Amino acid sequence: DTGVSQDPRHKITKRGQNVTFRCDPISEHNRLYWYRQTLGQGPEFLTYFQNEAQLEKSRLLSDRFSAERPKGSFSTLEIQRTEQGDSAMYLCASSTGGAGANVLTFGAGSRLTVL
Amino acid sequence: DQQVKQNSPSLSVQEGRISILNCDYTNSMFDYFLWYKKYPAEGPTFLISISSIKDKNEDGRFTVFLNKSAKHLSLHIVPSQPGDSAVYFCAAFDFSGTYKYIFGTGTRLKVLA
Repeated sequence: DTGVSQDPRHKITKRGQNVTFRCDPISEHNRLYWYRQTLGQGPEFLTYFQNEAQLEKSRLLSDRFSAERPKGSFSTLEIQRTEQGDSAMYLCASSTGGAGANVLTFGAGSRLTVL
Repeated sequence: DQQVKQNSPSLSVQEGRISILNCDYTNSMFDYFLWYKKYPAEGPTFLISISSIKDKNEDGRFTVFLNKSAKHLSLHIVPSQPGDSAVYFCAAFDFSGTYKYIFGTGTRLKVLA
């Protein structure tokens, strides 16, 4: 098991373009989370999946953002019509399912720069 | 509304001494707490956790203390090593049904050789 993988690691795009990030969680993990981190801040919750079901979305996630987790495996986070304020590190994390708290395992992140 | 707060943005400690990082939370529903370490250009790495039924958890050089009445937790690193220099985040698990983790803003620790 190689841990949580994110691709691409760095994306530079022009304002108005669409971008998509992919996350491959640890295979036996049912829960998958997306977070966003900007300079000087901690990770901010964006959305969360339990298997293929998207159970929670933050108010930070405007209608330009969409996330999917088809078949409960990998997940994608798409940002449409990017804005300079979308520049951030997008972090994916996964954990085991079931009741109770679990340790989140993070990927290395995908850094987005919007010019 | 910052539910998890790390009021010290940075901390410098001499090698071999104790590092104490603090974290405060406001939501009494939080009952599981974690500390993560983050190096530049990497994702956060899990360090240590504590359940609200405990007041202390120890793992090698790292000890986390929880004071539920004060809604305060702290991470002690002793002895501190230069490789511990990183940004440390505390996180709280929200059991209100959403199963999401709320992170503080982080404390940058620099261990001086």
